[in-house]
Amino acid sequence: DQQVKQNSPSLSVQEGRISILNCDYTNSMFDYFLWYKKYPAEGPTFLISISSIKDKNEDGRFTVFLNKSAKHLSLHIVPSQPGDSAVYFCAASYAGGTSYGKLTFGQGTILTVHP
Amino acid sequence: NAGVTQTPKFRILKIGQSMTLQCTQDMNHNYMYWYRQDPGMGLKLIYYSVGAGITDKGEVPNGYNVSRSTTEDFPLRLELAAPSQTSVYFCASRPGTPYEQYFGPGTRLTVT
Repeated sequence: DQQVKQNSPSLSVQEGRISILNCDYTNSMFDYFLWYKKYPAEGPTFLISISSIKDKNEDGRFTVFLNKSAKHLSLHIVPSQPGDSAVYFCAASYAGGTSYGKLTFGQGTILTVHP
Repeated sequence: NAGVTQTPKFRILKIGQSMTLQCTQDMNHNYMYWYRQDPGMGLKLIYYSVGAGITDKGEVPNGYNVSRSTTEDFPLRLELAAPSQTSVYFCASRPGTPYEQYFGPGTRLTVT
């Protein structure tokens, strides 16, 4: 039962263009969503998050959009840079009493940005 | 600030052997987590802790044990290693809020 899904295993874009990474979830209790970036042989690094009370959050080149009715979120990277090449994980959590901030992760999307 | 540190970085175990993966954080975070990542898959939660002396099972706890005697340390014990435990293991921690977790660099474990 995959509660968080990233249906695109990989994405390839040209430097300077927009990268759009997608994520779908099934559990209506999720109310906080995060994106992590992971380089090979390193641990995941937090990138950006969004609460379910918002539909957009921006941080520099990174913007996360949340569509609660569709249970869908996306990460936009503009402009994309070769250093953005990594695996991107979508994760979800909820603020319920027994959640304790546990994260449910998607499978990841490998982003490759070509110079 | 070292953040979250994990040792060892790599380990090869024979079937049936045991080992402890170490995790230490110096951020005084109450919440700590252990995940495993299999190839092409996302991270799956093994165990978590909400404070010293308090631990609970995650999604995939079978074959593992944890303890939390101090705020800083959260070791993961593998008893009777099996090939299915070949994976990369990540430890993470976070303060009370927000929900962002800080991850260690991981331990790559191979069981043969």
